[in-house]
Amino acid sequence: GAGVSQSPSNKVTEKGKDVELRCDPISGHTALYWYRQSLGQGLEFLIYFQGNSAPDKSGLPSDRFSAERTGGSVSTLTIQRTQQEDSAVYLCASSLSRDSWGGYTFGSGTRLTVV
Amino acid sequence: SQQGEEDPQALSIQEGENATMNCSYKTSINNLQWYRQNSGRGLVHLILIRSNEREKHSGRLRVTLDTSKKSSSLLITASRAADTASYFCALSGSARQLTFGSGTQLTVLP
Repeated sequence: GAGVSQSPSNKVTEKGKDVELRCDPISGHTALYWYRQSLGQGLEFLIYFQGNSAPDKSGLPSDRFSAERTGGSVSTLTIQRTQQEDSAVYLCASSLSRDSWGGYTFGSGTRLTVV
Repeated sequence: SQQGEEDPQALSIQEGENATMNCSYKTSINNLQWYRQNSGRGLVHLILIRSNEREKHSGRLRVTLDTSKKSSSLLITASRAADTASYFCALSGSARQLTFGSGTQLTVLP
C-alpha cells in the first residue's frame, strides 16, 4: 500500500482481556518495528522483524506481549490479559532495510485503552 | 543506553521566529534522524544525517551534527503555526532499531 496501515485506530478493552493489533507495512519493506508511546512520553521499542531472520524481541515488556509477522508482510501484536499500564499508543513502522537511509515510515497508531 | 535526549522539553515561539532543538547522546552512531509527531499519532521522518556529515538542509530545516560533542541540533527557520508538533531525534547505532528520545514540544504562536 501507499503507507503503513494500522488497525484498529482505537481500542477500548476490559482489564484481563486479550487484544490483537494489526500492522500492514509498505509493500517491499523488509524491516518492521513495533513501538509504544505512553501519554506525553517518547517511543519505547518493543520488537523488530527483518526479513526471515529471527525477530528481536528484546523490548517486549513481559511475556504477555507477543508478535508475529506472516509471510514477511502483515504483523500482529498480541497482548494477553491486558493491564491498565498497557494503555498507550502502539505504533508500527517499516523501512526498506535495517539501515534504510530514508528512515522509517510510521503508521497512525492504535490507541489502546484498558479500563 | 543509546537513547538521545532532547532539549528543551518544551519551546514556545512566535510565528516567523526560528526554533532550535538539541539532541545529545552517549554512544557512537551510524546516523541520526529527526521526526515530527502531530497529535500523539504517527511520526513523520524529516531528515537523516550520517555520522560523517556535519550539516544538512531540507527546505526550512537545518540539521547539524557534532560527533565529538555527541550532539545534534534541528533548526526550523521562519516558523509557522503549522510547525506546532513534537520533534524527536532518533539514533541508529549498534542496535538494529532506532532509539528515540523523549521529544521537544514546539508551539508556534500565530
